Amino acid sequence: GAVVSQHPSWVICKSGTSVKIECRSLDFQATTMFWYRQFPKQSLMLMATSNEGSKATYEQGVEKDKFLINHASLTLSTLTVTSAHPEDSSFYICSARATYEQYFGPGTRLTVT
Amino acid sequence: DAKTTQPPSMDCAEGRAANLPCNHSTISGNEYVYWYRQIHSQGPQYIIHGLKNNETNEMASLIITEDRKSSTLILPHATLRDTAVYYCIVRVGDGGATNKLIFGTGTLLAVQP
Repeated sequence: GAVVSQHPSWVICKSGTSVKIECRSLDFQATTMFWYRQFPKQSLMLMATSNEGSKATYEQGVEKDKFLINHASLTLSTLTVTSAHPEDSSFYICSARATYEQYFGPGTRLTVT
Repeated sequence: DAKTTQPPSMDCAEGRAANLPCNHSTISGNEYVYWYRQIHSQGPQYIIHGLKNNETNEMASLIITEDRKSSTLILPHATLRDTAVYYCIVRVGDGGATNKLIFGTGTLLAVQP
């Protein structure tokens, strides 16, 4: 199957700093990428949908100025958590769609201290 | 997208078939049934999907009732590595830009030795 990578796999940052997470589709081009967040013992929650070359569409309740998404190419999307706070600590998972199928990255564990 | 209902947890003996049910009584004619699974602290993994016919691949079989209001994912010979949360999702399958996978709570399948 298609491969989606994320970098970094885990990151620890101090409160108030910004963190960028990269998502790459390694062997296919993805016109649409998705970002999810998952808190412990909970299901995945969709944060936003991004299409290459256009602005991301955020789900209700997700602050677009805090979670900056850039989808500059067909193989790369980035999520920047700005001015991170401890409540932003979570497992962030990206996903890329190839035609009808949607493939997921391994996730990035963010811990804000 | 139609809502799905799954049991919160199930047990299965190693080597036996695991049958995971899903109800999607409000599914529309153009919505597909997708199954993903998430092993602890990893990104979701695509398993199988179908519209109305039964489907089989190297991982599992998907049985969809004739009225399409429910389905069953079958893992023919469960192993300990199949222990995961299994998500049943219905989604319009035309790959349109607005289509997205919305995760419910899923079923935690515990394969016992």
